[in-house]
Amino acid sequence: DVVMTQSPLSLPVTLGQPASISCGSSRSLVHSDGITYLNWFQQRPGQSPRRLIYKVSNRDSGVPDRFSGSGSGTDFTLRISRVEAEDVGIYYCMQGTHWPWTFGQGTKVEI
Amino acid sequence: EVQVVESGGGLVQPGGSLRLSCAASGFTLSNYWMCWVRQVPGKGLEWVASTNRDGSQNESVASVKGRLTISRDNAKNSVYLQMNSLRVDDTAVYYCARDSPGRSGPDVWGKGTTVIVSS
Repeated sequence: DVVMTQSPLSLPVTLGQPASISCGSSRSLVHSDGITYLNWFQQRPGQSPRRLIYKVSNRDSGVPDRFSGSGSGTDFTLRISRVEAEDVGIYYCMQGTHWPWTFGQGTKVEI
Repeated sequence: EVQVVESGGGLVQPGGSLRLSCAASGFTLSNYWMCWVRQVPGKGLEWVASTNRDGSQNESVASVKGRLTISRDNAKNSVYLQMNSLRVDDTAVYYCARDSPGRSGPDVWGKGTTVIVSS
């Protein structure tokens, strides 16, 4: 199985400041169709997860443009350009390239 | 409104069975892969199983193979998770979710249904 490793696991942030989360995979996430299926999710306290980014850098509808995703191969990053209070929660990366799909351990973002 | 709503969770003894249901609305179920993801309270997310548009291809994590089976009935706008030979470590909140676009992970999640396996 592909192991997804996130860092840091805990991220204290300052409102208005940037933040970034790294996600590494144990093997390349480039699918045989040429697409990289690396996705990012946010889970606010007490809520279901919500997808923010799919296929590395595509923002979901309604996701603020302060969220961005980048990376290739085995190394990926989620960036928040200016942290807001509503961004508190746990962030997960997930790969959909190889079965079984696997998630990272999660990164807890707190003010 | 596009949504999925899970039901069927509860308390069951080890070795017992349970069937989770997921009712989809606001979209054409037959156009989408669907999946189940679970989460032990206070822990991370674990993908459990996925089914393709017509139910002819199912994938699941090794730890549930032969015990938890995903299925769907597009005519009833429903997805199911048949859970047999349940173990204590199957205790979790189970989320039904829509996968779109393909392999991009869930874009629509339910609120989850809780399964507790305990004697």
